[in-house]
Amino acid sequence: NAGVTQTPKFRVLKTGQSMTLLCAQDMNHEYMYWYRQDPGMGLRLIHYSVGEGTTAKGEVPDGYNVSRLKKQNFLLGLESAAPSQTSVYFCASSYSGRGNEQFFGPGTRLTVL
Amino acid sequence: KQEVTQIPAALSVPEGENLVLNCSFTDSAIYNLQWFRQDPGKGLTSLLLIQSSQREQTSGRLNASLDKSSGRSTLYIAASQPGDSATYLCAVLDQGAQKLVFGQGTRLTINP
Repeated sequence: NAGVTQTPKFRVLKTGQSMTLLCAQDMNHEYMYWYRQDPGMGLRLIHYSVGEGTTAKGEVPDGYNVSRLKKQNFLLGLESAAPSQTSVYFCASSYSGRGNEQFFGPGTRLTVL
Repeated sequence: KQEVTQIPAALSVPEGENLVLNCSFTDSAIYNLQWFRQDPGKGLTSLLLIQSSQREQTSGRLNASLDKSSGRSTLYIAASQPGDSATYLCAVLDQGAQKLVFGQGTRLTINP
């Protein structure tokens, strides 16, 4: 049982490049989330999904897109990366039957030059 | 808008002491409250989850309490050890059970 995994662990992009971050969970959780963590700003919700095929905006959605084509996967896309998107990105998942306790992945450290 | 505050921002204590970390939130209409631990460069590890109808939860040397009416939670760590050194984060889930709002965390250092 791997829990929540994230790919890649590190990435460096140039301004304007695009990339996709992959989150996978093997716990059959309904809900999945993408957060970013920045010094002095804490953890902020980017987008979330309450089920396969559904997505919704969080607190800081601009510049990001997401897709949840399969229940176990949640993808975060950056179409045209900007230096302001330099951050550590965390994925999480939860299950309503466990009181919506959220379980986090190890994070992806992204630098945009 | 829900706001979560953790005081102090940093705490340093000698090994063996019992200690309390504080968390306050502005909107009492919450679904649950979760305490996490984060080690440097790592992800978040869930420590305790308190449902809105509960007053406290315990796991080993950790005890978390919740007072919804006053908008406060505390995390009590008994007999602290150097391995407890980490950043502790408090987060509340809104009543729609969809959005987790985090505090800034308390950086805890336990000195041998």
